[in-house]
Amino acid sequence: GDSVIQMQGQVTLSENDFLFINCTYSTTGYPTLFWYVQYSGEGPQLLLQVTTANNKGSSRGFEATYDKGTTSFHLQKTSVQEIDSAVYYCAMRASNMGYKLTFGTGTSLLVDP
Amino acid sequence: DTTVKQNPRYKLARVGKPVNLICSQTMNHDTMYWYQKKPNQAPKLLLFYYDKILNREADTFEKFQSSRPNNSFCSLYIGSAGLEYSAMYLCASSRAGSAETLYFGSGTRLTVL
Repeated sequence: GDSVIQMQGQVTLSENDFLFINCTYSTTGYPTLFWYVQYSGEGPQLLLQVTTANNKGSSRGFEATYDKGTTSFHLQKTSVQEIDSAVYYCAMRASNMGYKLTFGTGTSLLVDP
Repeated sequence: DTTVKQNPRYKLARVGKPVNLICSQTMNHDTMYWYQKKPNQAPKLLLFYYDKILNREADTFEKFQSSRPNNSFCSLYIGSAGLEYSAMYLCASSRAGSAETLYFGSGTRLTVL
């Protein structure tokens, strides 16, 4: 079945460091890929989405792309700030799975000031 | 207003007793979802309503029930709580469509003793 693998459980950075989080996906359909962010005490919210391979999505200084050849997609930010401390989830919706959004296990980002 | 509201924020239940969680949204979204989130695991889709039609995931089919008396309101019902039901329960809503954003509530943390 469809799956999303997110290996990095916890990442600690200092302000102005570079952030890179990677996910891999598996599906027999055509995927739309998402990054959701969850701040403390809140529910997940959409950060950005990518619907076409090799195209970039961007929002709030974050960028995401996906590589159809390696079935991977990643989130990056050039210079993180303390306010970016949150849990980041990659997620996939496949064309053959209707409304189902499949999530990764999440990466907890802590940015030290 | 893009708010999804969940009540209560924390819920304590006894093993073998029923549990009812409540969610509401005012965005006139036709689809509402319930996810279960346990530590170090990905959010797991339990069921969703598209309009008045309930769709339950195969592996949780018998464990959870739901009702949607109107477009704005959706509940999640556990007939007999077990220790394994302790988790964060996230409600979300969206418009129909594979690329539509899910809007999440802040969740209800259920502890079963």
